[in-house]
Amino acid sequence: ELKVEQNPLFLSMQEGKNYTIYCNYSTTSDRLYWYRQDPGKSLESLFVLLSNGAVKQEGRLMASLDTKARLSTLHITAAVHDLSATYFCASQETRGKLIFGQGTELSVKP
Amino acid sequence: GAVVSQHPSWVICKSGTSVKIECRSLDFQATTMFWYRQFPKQSLMLMATSNEGSKATYEQGVEKDKFLINHASLTLSTLTVTSAHPEDSSFYICSAGGVADTQYFGPGTRLTVL
Repeated sequence: ELKVEQNPLFLSMQEGKNYTIYCNYSTTSDRLYWYRQDPGKSLESLFVLLSNGAVKQEGRLMASLDTKARLSTLHITAAVHDLSATYFCASQETRGKLIFGQGTELSVKP
Repeated sequence: GAVVSQHPSWVICKSGTSVKIECRSLDFQATTMFWYRQFPKQSLMLMATSNEGSKATYEQGVEKDKFLINHASLTLSTLTVTSAHPEDSSFYICSAGGVADTQYFGPGTRLTVL
């Protein structure tokens, strides 16, 4: 059974600081996704990582994938309050099924 | 492009009644749609995979007779929660499969069963 584990589950950051969220998955996977969820809302797609060594960046967020270590990271640079949300990684099996991590609740404080 | 809608966005019902939630892909056709459930402060759990023109595939532990899924067209899947109880109160999110297995998520439906 494919499992996806994130850490930390809760993250309180000061504005301007850097931090990394880790996502480990337990079996070989085709793809790794990162999503953002604001309270009461659905998911917003951030990144899709398709191959070993893939790195994608958007603004203050950068995601990477290491398929050999079965690890993906979401790095936050110089955090701002607007980044406060819950972040999910998800690994995709064949036939499109997504397995989600537990989510990381990020709070950025001034 | 790749917009998915859900209706209703929220619903309150009495215990024992049935509730239908619609998921539509507005600008693309989706042979596969997925239904997820999310309890407060928890992750998304896949309930079932809905395939157009065939029976849905349910995840282990999900009662197929309680959560009826119909995928009658390439743009519409419905989830009916039958005989709803307070423990069925949750945030239900659908997604539609697009090109290269990319999933596009709907805005979600918040169900409250009194």
